[in-house]
Amino acid sequence: EAGVAQSPRYKIIEKRQSVAFWCNPISGHATLYWYQQILGQGPKLLIQFQNNGVVDDSQLPKDRFSAERLKGVDSTLKIQPAKLEDSAVYLCASSSLLRGTQYFGPGTRLTVL
Amino acid sequence: AQRVTQPEKLLSVFKGAPVELKCNYSYSGSPELFWYVQYSRQRLQLLLRHISRESIKGFTADLNKGETSFHLKKPFAQEEDSAMYYCALTGSARQLTFGSGTQLTVLP
Repeated sequence: EAGVAQSPRYKIIEKRQSVAFWCNPISGHATLYWYQQILGQGPKLLIQFQNNGVVDDSQLPKDRFSAERLKGVDSTLKIQPAKLEDSAVYLCASSSLLRGTQYFGPGTRLTVL
Repeated sequence: AQRVTQPEKLLSVFKGAPVELKCNYSYSGSPELFWYVQYSRQRLQLLLRHISRESIKGFTADLNKGETSFHLKKPFAQEEDSAMYYCALTGSARQLTFGSGTQLTVLP
């Protein structure tokens, strides 16, 4: 089966600019996660979707971050405006309701200058 | 609050030597524990989970509820085991909380 796809793989922007990341989960996976991984740290959950509804966004900085999964498949994560401390790898993962094992995409490495 | 601690950022062992990557957790309930691995230039992937009680690539991990630990062990390390290893747990919401990771280097 095809894995979780993410794009772009790399993005460099200046602070105060906006940026968007895209994720296509494994076919049939109802649950989708976005994680932020800062250099030297483990991934930290930002938001969890089940189908097109938000399960948990308690760690999402909602003043600048937003995410949507309109049709319950693909998802986008947006940052507007970006800050220097947003430099990180943004990981998308998906899982099925039955097994729960999370499968990760390759990530998008964001550098904010 | 749930928390995962991996005390070693870097760990080096020689090929054929035993290896143990430490993981301690805090969680008020019955968590599910995992080890994830990321090889160079590859994506993060599940290595093993405690409920499976299986050995993957020669690695095992035993959940010790008394010591709240889930250490990863392998009796004879191989060079291809060199990677970043993350311990993680989930609670009822199935959300993963990761440790900060241990970079394992197996020397020839």
